[in-house]
Amino acid sequence: GAGVSQSPRYKVAKRGQDVALRCDPISGHVSLFWYQQALGQGPEFLTYFQNEAQLDKSGLPSDRFFAERPEGSVSTLKIQRTQQEDSAVYLCASSLESGSGNTIYFGEGSWLTVV
Amino acid sequence: KQEVTQIPAALSVPEGENLVLNCSFTDSAIYNLQWFRQDPGKGLTSLLLIQSSQREQTSGRLNASLDKSSGRSTLYIAASQPGDSATYLCAVKDNAGNMLTFGGGTRLMVKP
Repeated sequence: GAGVSQSPRYKVAKRGQDVALRCDPISGHVSLFWYQQALGQGPEFLTYFQNEAQLDKSGLPSDRFFAERPEGSVSTLKIQRTQQEDSAVYLCASSLESGSGNTIYFGEGSWLTVV
Repeated sequence: KQEVTQIPAALSVPEGENLVLNCSFTDSAIYNLQWFRQDPGKGLTSLLLIQSSQREQTSGRLNASLDKSSGRSTLYIAASQPGDSATYLCAVKDNAGNMLTFGGGTRLMVKP
């Protein structure tokens, strides 16, 4: 596709439910990032992939959060046993590489509400 | 740990005004700084990227400056238009790591 695609766009989960959020990066993009954006705040880094390798997961808030990119393309962010504080927009971004001049492209996000 | 702050948090101006958005960061060892635009319910669009060795970048009515030593950047918008209404986010990439650290954003409304 022309841009970074995320699904679902909107998800309402009951507290304790597991959710999976999908990201389709721009074809050929090596670098993939996940960010979490709470209402009225800036995005916060969760994790970074270079191809299929997860090089940085320092931003994942707890062991309930897990991300994968098994074939170096599509990525899934999984949240287990969701809690109300997980309610946020989850943004995926990709770039050709993580170099200084490479433009980073963001998807429109997956809006998660935990009730 | 890098911290990025944006002032003001919200701004409302009449159409045609020139305006300045401010961004400050605590650790000057940055690789680059970017300004993004975010429309409601949408993702982020990169507006300008300034490398650590650069002082400013310009694109159309937008001009971004960087003073790395003082930990500051400004985004100047000339002759603002209602279509400029959005949230503007500043983000820095440190020398170590690949992630961006974002400020909280400035919500801009330009009134016709």
